[in-house]
Amino acid sequence: DVVLTQSPLSLPVTLGQPASISCRSSQSLVFSDGKTYLNWYHQRPGQSPRRLIYKVSNRDSGVPDRFSGSGSGTDFTLKINRVEAEDVGVYYCMQGAQWPRTFGQGTKVEIK
Amino acid sequence: EVQLTDSGGGLVQPGGSLKLSCAASGFTFSDSAMNWVRQASGKGLEWIGRIRTKANGYATAYAESVKGRFTISRDDSKNTAYLEMNSLKTDDTAVYYCTTLVVSAPGDHWGQGTLVTVSS
Repeated sequence: DVVLTQSPLSLPVTLGQPASISCRSSQSLVFSDGKTYLNWYHQRPGQSPRRLIYKVSNRDSGVPDRFSGSGSGTDFTLKINRVEAEDVGVYYCMQGAQWPRTFGQGTKVEIK
Repeated sequence: EVQLTDSGGGLVQPGGSLKLSCAASGFTFSDSAMNWVRQASGKGLEWIGRIRTKANGYATAYAESVKGRFTISRDDSKNTAYLEMNSLKTDDTAVYYCTTLVVSAPGDHWGQGTLVTVSS
């Protein structure tokens, strides 16, 4: 199975400051079609996960443009340009290149 | 508006069975593969299985942790997916989410989750 390793696991941030989360894969996430299948999710306390980014860098509808995804192969990053209070919660990366689908351990973002 | 409504959770004894439902609306359910993902309290997300569409033979796949014990099915006439869970263990205690879990395009949707507690 593909193992996704996120860092850091805990990220205290100051409002208005940038934040960055890393997701490293044990295998390349480039599928046979040449595309890279790495999603990012955000889960607020008590809520279901919500997808923010798909295929590395494509923002979902309604996701603020302060969120951006980048990376290739096995190394990926989610960046928040200027953290807002509503951004607290846990962020997960997930790979869609192989079965079984696997998630990173999650990164908990909280406001300092 | 797209909606996935998970139901059927509850308290069950070890070794028991439970069947969860996921009712869909607001999108073409019959054209969508459906997945189940679970989350133990305070823990991360674990994919447990999926069922493809009729066009793809309703093919199923499962995580090793549930293979042989859990079965995913769907009824496109009712816009509903199911997760049948047998031989339940205490480790199966979690919130269970149905989700389209789309990886390549818009259209990723999640239910609100339903809590399954396996305990004597």
